[in-house]
Amino acid sequence: DSGVTQTPKHLITATGQRVTLRCSPRSGDLSVYWYQQSLDQGLQFLIQYYNGEERAKGNILERFSAQQFPDLHSELNLSSLELGDSALYFCASSVDPEEKPSGANVLTFGAGSRLTVL
Amino acid sequence: DQQVKQNSPSLSVQEGRISILNCDYTNSMFDYFLWYKKYPAEGPTFLISISSIKDKNEDGRFTVFLNKSAKHLSLHIVPSQPGDSAVYFCAASLDSGNTPLVFGKGTRLSVIA
Repeated sequence: DSGVTQTPKHLITATGQRVTLRCSPRSGDLSVYWYQQSLDQGLQFLIQYYNGEERAKGNILERFSAQQFPDLHSELNLSSLELGDSALYFCASSVDPEEKPSGANVLTFGAGSRLTVL
Repeated sequence: DQQVKQNSPSLSVQEGRISILNCDYTNSMFDYFLWYKKYPAEGPTFLISISSIKDKNEDGRFTVFLNKSAKHLSLHIVPSQPGDSAVYFCAASLDSGNTPLVFGKGTRLSVIA
């Protein structure tokens, strides 16, 4: 158990629908990252939050949004789903760089949420 | 445009031999490199890292080599064990702070007993 919890583990839905993926970071970690892994693709960075604030944005579609709540858990919202959105979605967390300047980029990943859009 | 490339999708090695996984990058601003291992139905787990000021980092059976001039790094596993069979991802970041990692597509390693 990495300490990063993602729910649900599996999700099957139809095109046009909206889903929410949830992530609880490792205790004490302030940063949360979302990555997407499609078939035969590497891990594509979507978005990063640090202590409730958006810190960096990657290849995140406008149909997708995320937020980090005061208790530091994060949610990734995917709307108007398309077949191509079927993928594994990983959440990761990392330590506060002010507490550990070296190594704050070592991400700890959850087990992922597998989304299937039919 | 892929900034981190793992050109071998798969690699098969006999148990006890050396496994060499390769990774190339294009962004000369990358300052920190990491390797992750992923088993099926699990998230990637951190394996080993190297800063751009070093050319080698060793941790037990795992050694990472960095050639900055060639923008190339490699992960050596010696000796390879069946439990090492997994997908290995190379990743890079601009610093050692909490900036997002850029990942390659991964190499599937199969260690045959």
